[in-house]
Amino acid sequence: AQTVTQSQPEMSVQEAETVTLSCTYDTSENNYYLFWYKQPPSRQMILVIRQEAYKQQNATENRFSVNFQKAAKSFSLKISDSQLGDTAMYFCAFMKHGGGGSNYKLTFGKGTLLTVNP
Amino acid sequence: EAGVTQFPSHSVIEKGQTVTLRCDPISGHDNLYWYRRVMGKEIKFLLHFVKESKQDESGMPNNRFLAERTGGTYSTLKVQPAELEDSGVYFCASSHTGPGSYEQYFGPGTRLTVT
Repeated sequence: AQTVTQSQPEMSVQEAETVTLSCTYDTSENNYYLFWYKQPPSRQMILVIRQEAYKQQNATENRFSVNFQKAAKSFSLKISDSQLGDTAMYFCAFMKHGGGGSNYKLTFGKGTLLTVNP
Repeated sequence: EAGVTQFPSHSVIEKGQTVTLRCDPISGHDNLYWYRRVMGKEIKFLLHFVKESKQDESGMPNNRFLAERTGGTYSTLKVQPAELEDSGVYFCASSHTGPGSYEQYFGPGTRLTVT
C-alpha cells in the first residue's frame, strides 16, 4: 500500500515571494504518477501539476514547479511569485501507473493550507 | 463543458437516518470515483466505477454504504443508517479512458454532518 505524507499542515507566504510545500511518499512501485492538487476556499479541487516517475526532468507549469527526488521519495511543490489567488489547500497525491481499473485511484496526503498574505 | 456536479452541497442528518448523495460526472467520462475526507485526515478512496460496473470498491467502509451507477451516467452513494463517524466531505471525480486518463476532475463535494 502507498502512503503520502505532508508534514506542513499550514504555511503562509507574502505576495510575490516563493514558497515550497513538502511531500514524501512510500511505495514499492516503480512506475507511478505524482500530483499536486489545489482546492481554493469553497471551490473545487483542481490539478496543478503532474509528474511521471520515469521522467527525470522536473515538471513545470508556469509559476508552479516540482522537485522530484525519486530515490528519496520526495515530491515538493514550489510556487514562485505567489499571488493572492494561490491561497488554497494543497494536496499531494500518488497514483500507480498503467493498467486499468483500480490502478487509477489516488492516494492523498492530509494537505497543506497555504495562505498568501498581501 | 460542464464540470462534475454533486448534490446536495451540504446535508445535516441525525444518526440512524438515510442520506443519498448524487454525482454527475463530466459527459462521456466512463470512470467515476468516490472519495471521502474526514476532518483532519487524508482524502480516502471509496470506490471506482467504469461505466455502470464497480471496478474497485475496496475503500467502502462497511455495508451501510451503497453506491450505484445505473446506466453508466450519474452515480448515487447511499448511507443507511448513518453514524456519527460518517461525517465528512464526500468528493466525486471522473475521468475519461485512454490517454490522459490519469487526470481526475473533481466535484465540489458534499459536506455530510451526522448529529
